[in-house]
Amino acid sequence: DAGVTQSPTHLIKTRGQQVTLRCSPKSGHDTVSWYQQALGQGPQFIFQYYEEEERQRGNFPDRFSGHQFPNYSSELNVNALLLGDSALYLCASTLLLASSTDTQYFGPGTRLTVL
Amino acid sequence: KQEVTQIPAALSVPEGENLVLNCSFTDSAIYNLQWFRQDPGKGLTSLLLIQSSQREQTSGRLNASLDKSSGRSTLYIAASQPGDSATYLCAVYNQGGKLIFGQGTELSVKP
Repeated sequence: DAGVTQSPTHLIKTRGQQVTLRCSPKSGHDTVSWYQQALGQGPQFIFQYYEEEERQRGNFPDRFSGHQFPNYSSELNVNALLLGDSALYLCASTLLLASSTDTQYFGPGTRLTVL
Repeated sequence: KQEVTQIPAALSVPEGENLVLNCSFTDSAIYNLQWFRQDPGKGLTSLLLIQSSQREQTSGRLNASLDKSSGRSTLYIAASQPGDSATYLCAVYNQGGKLIFGQGTELSVKP
């Protein structure tokens, strides 16, 4: 049973560029959440997707957008990259009905470096 | 607004020592609390999930407690080993499964 997978593992971009990160949830899960973790900090919630709709959103600008596909996989897009967007981006999946009572499963993350 | 704080930010102990990591949260209306482990540059590994109606959970050498009324949780690690060296993160769940994390405690266990 495959866990949560993310691609790519590492990414280097320059300021002003756009980036797309991808996540495939654990088998049987229908809800995907994205988190940003700056160096030395705890992860910060970006947004959550269920049934291809954004259900919750954290305190992130509109430059951060996402998408969920019919197979429950998800993408995180960041436009007009800033140096401060450099971070580890984590994807987590769960089953919505159990999302408040069951563990969320995290992927290995994508390390984004903005130069 | 829910805030989660972890103390200490870093901890270094000799191998074999028992230790306690602390987590506090400002809003007691949580659904659950979860402890994670993170190795450098890696994703998160779930250690223990405590339901809001529970007081503690145990797994091997790990024991986590939850006191909602005081807004506190502790992670107790018995007989620490060098392989326990990692960052430990505490997170609380709100409705819908949004996790709010503390900043973590970086643990180093010296042989």
